[in-house]
Amino acid sequence: EPEVTQTPSHQVTQMGQEVILRCVPISNHLYFYWYRQILGQKVEFLVSFYNNEISEKSEIFDDQFSVERPDGSNFTLKIRSTKLEDSAMYFCASSSRQGDYGYTFGSGTRLTVV
Amino acid sequence: AQKITQTQPGMFVQEKEAVTLDCTYDTSDQSYGLFWYKQPSSGEMIFLIYQGSYDEQNATEGRYSLNFQKARKSANLVISASQLGDSAMYFCASHQDYKLSFGAGTTVTVRA
Repeated sequence: EPEVTQTPSHQVTQMGQEVILRCVPISNHLYFYWYRQILGQKVEFLVSFYNNEISEKSEIFDDQFSVERPDGSNFTLKIRSTKLEDSAMYFCASSSRQGDYGYTFGSGTRLTVV
Repeated sequence: AQKITQTQPGMFVQEKEAVTLDCTYDTSDQSYGLFWYKQPSSGEMIFLIYQGSYDEQNATEGRYSLNFQKARKSANLVISASQLGDSAMYFCASHQDYKLSFGAGTTVTVRA
């Protein structure tokens, strides 16, 4: 069964450093998403991406964050100048069409900022 | 923005019994989708079941069924014949615009 692949599974970074979280969505999917889950809290939407541009972003997704689809297969989330409160599980997801029940989530990247 | 409410922070259920997880949503849109996801302790998000707002029948997927009451704006998940492996966090979510909005989740613990 096709799956969304996220790397790395765990990342520890120093406060103030930049991190790039990587995702390989399902190959025939067109919509891509990043979500965040702070430990013990609910899953929060960050950004959606379609046709090489951001479709929607949340208030969380400020200038510290950026997304890119550099090569037609990878979908990355860059967090600049990380803060302690950026520590969370970051999920990538993809879907074949908007609203289709075929949302598939990756297994997540657990980011720890120290 | 969509708001999803899950009022049960935690539930215990005996193995082989059924459990119902509550979910209500708040939307003024006519077209939307409702989802349930399972998150075991390992952290991944596992899709369980989907209900479209125009679907006339309640969705079912194996031991999972969704009790969809559109007028009440509720989409409760029923897990039948609970198994120890069902112990996890369960999230209700709705799709609208370009994103999923999640509830706070319900932790289910299945007792032997």
